[in-house]
Amino acid sequence: EDKVVQSPLSLVVHEGDTVTLNCSYEVTNFRSLLWYKQEKKAPTFLFMLTSSGIEKKSGRLSSILDKKELFSILNITATQTGDSAVYLCAVYSGGSNYKLTFGKGTLLTVNP
Amino acid sequence: KAGVTQTPRYLIKTRGQQVTLSCSPISGHRSVSWYQQTPGQGLQFLFEYFSETQRNKGNFPGRFSGRQFSNSRSEMNVSTLELGDSALYLCASRPAPAGGGGTDTQYFGPGTRLTVL
Repeated sequence: EDKVVQSPLSLVVHEGDTVTLNCSYEVTNFRSLLWYKQEKKAPTFLFMLTSSGIEKKSGRLSSILDKKELFSILNITATQTGDSAVYLCAVYSGGSNYKLTFGKGTLLTVNP
Repeated sequence: KAGVTQTPRYLIKTRGQQVTLSCSPISGHRSVSWYQQTPGQGLQFLFEYFSETQRNKGNFPGRFSGRQFSNSRSEMNVSTLELGDSALYLCASRPAPAGGGGTDTQYFGPGTRLTVL
């Protein structure tokens, strides 16, 4: 059974701190890894990673994938209170039964 | 472009009833997936539809079913509701399934919050 594990489950930091969120996975026929940010309702797409070692960056957020060690990290620098959310990692597995498997998420709280 | 829309946004039902949720994908998107989100289990895949056909199904009982119409809109039905079905039901769309010329990136709607009493 495909498995995606995120750590830590929750994290409290102060504005300006840098955080690293972790995602490890065990899936059959890996296709891609996606990061989403979920505030009140709909998860919003952040990154999709398919190739190992290539960093994706958007402003203060960046992410990298290690396909050999089966994990990804999401970095947020100079955190702001607006970064407070649940960050979800999901892995798309291909083959005949492809689907998106989500981790349970990391709840990030950024205090002023 | 308008995003994914879901109706209704909130729903309260009692055990044993059935419920139908609706999802309209982003214009031009032909693949629709459904997910159940609960505090204990997180986001879990229910099923995906493309061209009115179910492409894939998660590990949910047969009480959970869905369909897709020719305009790509999708409905999800849950029969004989149980207390444990209380959850946020999310719909996500993308142009086409991966492997069908599509992408793995899915865009989510705001969800339908279902409460079963």
